[in-house]
Amino acid sequence: GAVVSQHPSWVICKSGTSVKIECRSLDFQATTMFWYRQFPKQSLMLMATSNEGSKATYEQGVEKDKFLINHASLTLSTLTVTSAHPEDSSFYICSARDLSGPYNEQFFGPGTRLTVL
Amino acid sequence: KQEVTQIPAALSVPEGENLVLNCSFTDSAIYNLQWFRQDPGKGLTSLLLIQSSQREQTSGRLNASLDKSSGRSTLYIAASQPGDSATYLCAVRRGRGSTLGRLYFGRGTQLTVWP
Repeated sequence: GAVVSQHPSWVICKSGTSVKIECRSLDFQATTMFWYRQFPKQSLMLMATSNEGSKATYEQGVEKDKFLINHASLTLSTLTVTSAHPEDSSFYICSARDLSGPYNEQFFGPGTRLTVL
Repeated sequence: KQEVTQIPAALSVPEGENLVLNCSFTDSAIYNLQWFRQDPGKGLTSLLLIQSSQREQTSGRLNASLDKSSGRSTLYIAASQPGDSATYLCAVRRGRGSTLGRLYFGRGTQLTVWP
């Protein structure tokens, strides 16, 4: 199947700083990528849908000024957590949709563990 | 709004048992349904994908069925092994509307298979 990478795999930062997480589709082009957040023992919650060359669509309750999404190329989307606070500590997972496949399937990255001190 | 429920939330069994994990969803207008595996601290691995027109899919010891009209899917794991220990997530993809393509996830079933 298609491969999606995330970088970094984990990050620890101080409160008030900004953190950028990258999501890359390695062997396919992805016009649409998705960013999810997962708390311990909880399911994945969709934060936003990232479309190449246009503004991201945010889910209700997600602050777009706090979670900046940029999808500047067909293989890269970035999520920047601005002015991070301890409550932003979570596991962030991205996925990318492969339109070349028979089912337009989403493939998931390995996740990024963010800890804000 | 689509809601996905998975039962049981946790399951602990001895090696060799055959298992059934359940998933239900409230809106039957789905495009497809997927079962994923998630190991602790890791991303998601797709196990099986069932299109809305299909009734079941099989891969090795895994078999997933779909009854779209009743909003149910089951994941059957045959002859379970300790390596099957993980969280199993069910997700449905919408079949209509502007949010076509987004996945709705259940909370998962945490499976432990002990030797």
